[in-house]
Amino acid sequence: DIQVTQSPSFLSASVGDRVSITCRASQDIRIYLVWYQQKPGSAPKLLISGASTLQRGVPSRFSGSGSGTEFTLTISGLQPEDFATYYCLQLHDYPLIFGQGTRLEIK
Amino acid sequence: QVQLVESGGGVVQPGRSLRLSCAASGFTFSNFGMHWVRQTPGKGLEWVAVISYDGNNKYYGASVEGRFTVSRDNSNNTLYLQLNSLTPEDTAVYYCAKAPTRLGNWFDPWGQGTLVTVSS
Repeated sequence: DIQVTQSPSFLSASVGDRVSITCRASQDIRIYLVWYQQKPGSAPKLLISGASTLQRGVPSRFSGSGSGTEFTLTISGLQPEDFATYYCLQLHDYPLIFGQGTRLEIK
Repeated sequence: QVQLVESGGGVVQPGRSLRLSCAASGFTFSNFGMHWVRQTPGKGLEWVAVISYDGNNKYYGASVEGRFTVSRDNSNNTLYLQLNSLTPEDTAVYYCAKAPTRLGNWFDPWGQGTLVTVSS
């Protein structure tokens, strides 16, 4: 199975900051990686597909990059509503594997 | 709009079985693959299973393969997950989610989830 390592597990930042979250896959998954955002008490919401394609309605301060084994989710200019938990998910092979999650909190 | 409503969760003893349902509306259910994902309370997400639009292709996560079975009834727009030989490690919120294609790919939106608690 493909393993996915997400880092950091926890991130503390301020409104207006730029933050990045990384996912590393144990083998080449091309661009078969997506990013989800989950707020407490709610189901996850898809932010980015195909490593870098922003979903409709997602603010442009969110961006995704990478291919192969290393991927990054960047949020430029954090807003109060962005404080949540973020997960990556590899789609290259079954079983699909989520990253461990990154909890983004207000400093 | 797409709506997914899970049901069937509850408290069950170890070793017993449970069947979860996911009622779908707002889209042509028979045209899309569907996934199950679970989340342990306070912890991360674990992909459980996917089923193709016609039910002919199914894939499972390693920890549930051989114990869980995904199925669908396209005439009633309903997705199912049969959970057998349950252990406390299966305690989680179970979500169903819609794929954008006939089999897998990513999935969104998700339902609100149904809680399964495995305890004696």
